[in-house]
Amino acid sequence: SAVISQKPSRDICQRGTSLTIQCQVDSQVTMMFWYRQQPGQSLTLIATANQGSEATYESGFVIDKFPISRPNLTFSTLTVSNMSPEDSSIYLCSVQVGSETQYFGPGTRLLVL
Amino acid sequence: SQQGEEDPQALSIQEGENATMNCSYKTSINNLQWYRQNSGRGLVHLILIRSNEREKHSGRLRVTLDTSKKSSSLLITASRAADTASYFCATHSGSARQLTFGSGTQLTVLP
Repeated sequence: SAVISQKPSRDICQRGTSLTIQCQVDSQVTMMFWYRQQPGQSLTLIATANQGSEATYESGFVIDKFPISRPNLTFSTLTVSNMSPEDSSIYLCSVQVGSETQYFGPGTRLLVL
Repeated sequence: SQQGEEDPQALSIQEGENATMNCSYKTSINNLQWYRQNSGRGLVHLILIRSNEREKHSGRLRVTLDTSKKSSSLLITASRAADTASYFCATHSGSARQLTFGSGTQLTVLP
């Protein structure tokens, strides 16, 4: 298994600003993922973050809006840029351990006013 | 886009009763995983069932998989108030590493 922490756990931000979310894992992992969960909805994958290469974004998500860093095998950041109220969501990082199971962080609750 | 649909969307039962949630998906899978989420917090991994397995148990959880019908069910026996949460199925397909999530079932267990 893996223990994952995220910072901040929650934040309230003004529209037009940016927020960087950190994800820390207690072991080295190759693949990290960032998901968004809009209020009352299921999870949608934003991007896959691989160490040493550009993140791979899903349809509907772009690097200018959600830049991602992956400087090493235990850490990643997701920035939500130029925020609007529609960005209010829970943002979760996850890691894959072995070839199958994914473990999730506690999430970051974002409210944009 | 979401691969799976779950039903029911919401389920309310009395403590001690069994809860059954169903998940359907659209494409061939490598495995299917069930997660629990309490009050908009992080997801807790419950159980994984591979495409060549039909049934799996873990404590009070029983998962079945029918690949011919592209469906899975999660049974929680002797439910407790602490089981109150949202439950999601997620599939792992082909060479993709990411999970595709179902729409979720909100389970409420009344004391």
